[in-house]
Parts: sequence; C-alpha cells; structure tokens
Amino acid sequence: EAEVAQSPRYKITEKSQAVAFWCDPISGHATLYWYRQILGQGPELLVQFQDESVVDDSQLPKDRFSAERLKGVDSTLKIQPAELGDSAMYLCASSFTENTEAFFGQGTRLTVV
Amino acid sequence: EDQVTQSPEALRLQEGESSSLNCSYTVSGLRGLFWYRQDPGKGPEFLFTLYSAGEEKEKERLKATLTKKESFLHITAPKPEDSATYLCAVLNNAGNMLTFGGGTRLMVKP
Repeated sequence: EAEVAQSPRYKITEKSQAVAFWCDPISGHATLYWYRQILGQGPELLVQFQDESVVDDSQLPKDRFSAERLKGVDSTLKIQPAELGDSAMYLCASSFTENTEAFFGQGTRLTVV
Repeated sequence: EDQVTQSPEALRLQEGESSSLNCSYTVSGLRGLFWYRQDPGKGPEFLFTLYSAGEEKEKERLKATLTKKESFLHITAPKPEDSATYLCAVLNNAGNMLTFGGGTRLMVKP
C-alpha cells in the first residue's frame, strides 16, 4: 500500500540551530501539505504545494521557515534558527488533486532544547 | 476565514455505549468535509469524505453524516480499540485550504 514517507521520525536540536525535514508523497499526488501539530491540538497548515508551486504559505513564519518542492515530487521543510516554541509534530500529507482526501505520513517529532 | 469546532474535547465511554461526536464549521463554500482518526504519536489516518448535505458514509462501527452547518461521527457499540483522537477537516472552494478542528479524544473502557 502506498504511503507518505517522512524522515526523520524524531529530531532533537538545540535552540538557534538549523533543522530540516523531508517528505516523499504518494506517487502521482500533485498536492502536498506541511502541517504543524502541537500536542492536544489539531494540525495547522504551514504550506500547500500544487506540483512545484506554492498555493498557500500564509501561515508559514517566513523569517525562519522555508519549504521547497523541487521537480514537484519530494519536499523539504527547513527551520533556521530553531526556537523553543517550534517543538511540535511536523506532518506531511499528499492528495491526488486539491479536491480529494489527503493522506498523512507518520510525522517528525521535533524537540528544541 | 474558515473555522472548524469539534465537541466535546474529550469523551469517555464504556464498551458498547454508543455516542456521537460533533464537528461544526463555517467555510467559504464547502468542497468537502473529511474525518480522520489519530493514534498517539502517529499521523492522522483517513476515514471518510463527505461532499454534500444529506450524505452519509459508514465503516464498521463508524457512521459519518453531513448537514449544511455540521457533521456528526456516530460510534455504535464502541470497543477499546476505537480509542483515539478523531479529527474533522474542511476543504473550501476559494483557496483549497484544508482546515482542521481541534479534535475529540475518545476513550473507550472495557
């Protein structure tokens, strides 16, 4: 069964360091999402791609966060510098089109110390 | 701005005790409403998509329904393995953004 792959599963980093997360969506899925989920809350959209183009990044803290999806396949989310408040689960999801259900990866649990 | 509110925040049931979870939404043109199940430390798992008022979907002990303002996830005779957080999300016509509610944490005791 096709799955969304994310790595790493867990990451501990020191405040002010750079950190990067990788996502490989389900093959053929044009839409890719990055979400942040704080414990006990629902996921919050950070950025949405349609193929290699950004559709929405209005909630992405652009002073420290960046995201890219080169060639419209896999994607990288970067934080530089990391802050204590960035500790959360970072989830990647993909869907066949922007109108269909999204499938999630297992997430990356980030702890900033 | 799209908004999704789920209630209750937490629900404790005895095994076999049926109940319903609520998802109220305001959206600039609903393209679809989605239900997900999330186990601790894992990503959300897709359950259902509902597109129009009056639509219903079923899967084992779960049944999702949709009106113009809210959706319900009915759980019939739940088992302990149904314990999880259930998330609701809406997709709008304007920006194609998938907006989630805060979730309902369901605990089913044997």
